[in-house]
Amino acid sequence: EVQLVESGGGLVQPGGSLRLSCAASGFTFSSYWMSWVRQAPGKGLEWVANIKQDGSEKYYVDSVKGRFTISRDNAKNSLYLQMNSLRAEDTAVYYCARDGKWLVPSYWGQGTLVTVSS
Amino acid sequence: EIVLTQSPATLSLSPGERATLSCRASQSVSSYLAWYQQKPGQAPRLLIYDASNRATGIPARFSGSGSGTDFTLTISSLEPEDFAVYYCQQRSNWPPTFGPGTKVDIK
Repeated sequence: EVQLVESGGGLVQPGGSLRLSCAASGFTFSSYWMSWVRQAPGKGLEWVANIKQDGSEKYYVDSVKGRFTISRDNAKNSLYLQMNSLRAEDTAVYYCARDGKWLVPSYWGQGTLVTVSS
Repeated sequence: EIVLTQSPATLSLSPGERATLSCRASQSVSSYLAWYQQKPGQAPRLLIYDASNRATGIPARFSGSGSGTDFTLTISSLEPEDFAVYYCQQRSNWPPTFGPGTKVDIK
């Protein structure tokens, strides 16, 4: 069974940093593109970033470019999102997702809440 | 950035009724459109990809159609567990974008 478990969310002040993790199991992690998608409270879904199987390609939405870094450790079956210079508008539930087809998240974690507030 | 518009915003129906949800793109996305279902407090679930292909384990009452700029998700006969929010998503152009959602609630 495919499982994705996010962790690392919490309350952080504007300008602060946070690192999210996603532990994957039930599939060959190194064979799939992986993505982060977020959802602000009561709002819709927004793509954040994705990363190729070997980490050689990474793509970001403009609103996080230069502030967020996606990475992965295939030996640990883990996906990460380093978030720096956080803003109030980054407040959201962050979902880790496994892509089936390119940019089609077919499996999602339960999400981790990031709150940026003073 | 491709903008997706969904209509209606809310659809009030009874179990057993047919639901027809619409998604329109600001420019052609070919067939690169997916549909997701999300229930309160849960992660989205992939229903349909590439306009008309059901994802693994999705019941046959869910079907998708369309190409270019106009797409439809049809639920042939609503089950109690189908009342949720539905999002469309395009992957034709970077960044991938989602529509604002259609809430299907119980009449």
